[in-house]
Amino acid sequence: KQEVTQIPAALSVPEGENLVLNCSFTDSAIYNLQWFRQDPGKGLTSLLLIQSSQREQTSGRLNASLDKSSGRSTLYIAASQPGDSATYLCAVPTQGGSEKLVFGKGTKLTVNP
Amino acid sequence: DTEVTQTPKHLVMGMTNKKSLKCEQHMGHRAMYWYKQKAKKPPELMFVYSYEKLSINESVPSRFSPECPNSSLLNLHLHALQPEDSALYLCASSLSRTAGANVLTFGAGSRLTVL
Repeated sequence: KQEVTQIPAALSVPEGENLVLNCSFTDSAIYNLQWFRQDPGKGLTSLLLIQSSQREQTSGRLNASLDKSSGRSTLYIAASQPGDSATYLCAVPTQGGSEKLVFGKGTKLTVNP
Repeated sequence: DTEVTQTPKHLVMGMTNKKSLKCEQHMGHRAMYWYKQKAKKPPELMFVYSYEKLSINESVPSRFSPECPNSSLLNLHLHALQPEDSALYLCASSLSRTAGANVLTFGAGSRLTVL
């Protein structure tokens, strides 16, 4: 059974700092991995989707990496801003290309001005 | 249009009421999803529709009844709910059923409170 863990559960940093969020998964036979952002009481916004054949995906100040063999992904946020404050979740399909995603519990990020 | 629109944003209902949540997208996506999210927890999949047909029901109680009248619209009919059903209900869509291969687009959610 696929399980997804995110560490740390919460992170508080000063504005301008570079930071890394971690995601690990137990079954390395994943099709891809997605990173989402969720603002309080809101829906999820997809940030990056990394296919299993890829090692990295970049979007603006965000860079996500994937190491299938070790069952890990990281989300790197450069030059953090207060507007980056949100909960960040990673998710993988339960098996193969299944439409059923398993989510981690998320990392709550606070960027202080 | 790159959005998934959910209505209402907030809903308060009694345990004997019948109400519905609505979800709409005009991105040409053929897969639509209902997720339930409790406070400080990740979303949990409830239903998946693919080409207007129910493809996954995650053993959801029958007091939740999904409906997909057309490719752009997804409803969740609610009847005889319990207070523990209070949660944020999220709708999502993707190009096709293999959501693992496609980016999920989520709506802003409907906050449901059952008294």
